[in-house]
Amino acid sequence: QVHLVESGGGVVQPGRSLRLSCAASGFTFNNYAMHWVRQAPGKGLEWVTTISYDGSNKYYADSVKGRLSIARDRSKNTLYLEMNSLRAEDTAVYYCARDSGRDSGYFDYWGQGTLVTVSS
Amino acid sequence: QVVLTQSPSASASLGASVKLTCTLSSGYSNYAIAWHQQQPEKGPRYLMKVNSDGSHTKGDGIPDRLSGSSSGTERYLTISNLQSEDEADYYCQTWGTGYWVFGGGTKVTVL
Repeated sequence: QVHLVESGGGVVQPGRSLRLSCAASGFTFNNYAMHWVRQAPGKGLEWVTTISYDGSNKYYADSVKGRLSIARDRSKNTLYLEMNSLRAEDTAVYYCARDSGRDSGYFDYWGQGTLVTVSS
Repeated sequence: QVVLTQSPSASASLGASVKLTCTLSSGYSNYAIAWHQQQPEKGPRYLMKVNSDGSHTKGDGIPDRLSGSSSGTERYLTISNLQSEDEADYYCQTWGTGYWVFGGGTKVTVL
């Protein structure tokens, strides 16, 4: 069955960097677009970024453009989120999610999330 | 860009039914949406995709007592025979070219 496991979260100071990973299994990773979605404490879900099945297209929410970067390693079945110049408002649980298709669709599987806390 | 609107809360008694609404902004009546459930302290779970014609595609293991439907710019999730495990936040989600959008979520309380 489809399994998505995030890791890499923790406490980080404002302005510093962090890299999140999402290990995928149970499906052909290279056939699906992948997403990162976050949830600030007590708030709703917010789409962050998406990468197409082959990595050729990347999309970002305005709130993270220029600071967060998505990537995928097809040989390791792993999705990444490189987070730079972190701000307090980036504090959230970060979920990876599989897309229903190759480039644009709905989220059909989710991971359990990893918490990022940006604080001095 | 499309906007999704959901009521903040809904409640119904154990064994009763509840119908949640997700409203697409004007001009987007042909858009499909997806419903996701988030139980307390857990990650979200995909429930179903609901098309503009009311047809829906459920996720793995989603019981028959959950169903989807549509009317104009509204998309619905109906939960019949409410169980205690249905107490959760429910989010609708849609997408366009290069963007993905969530509604604000509806908190369902089972009385």
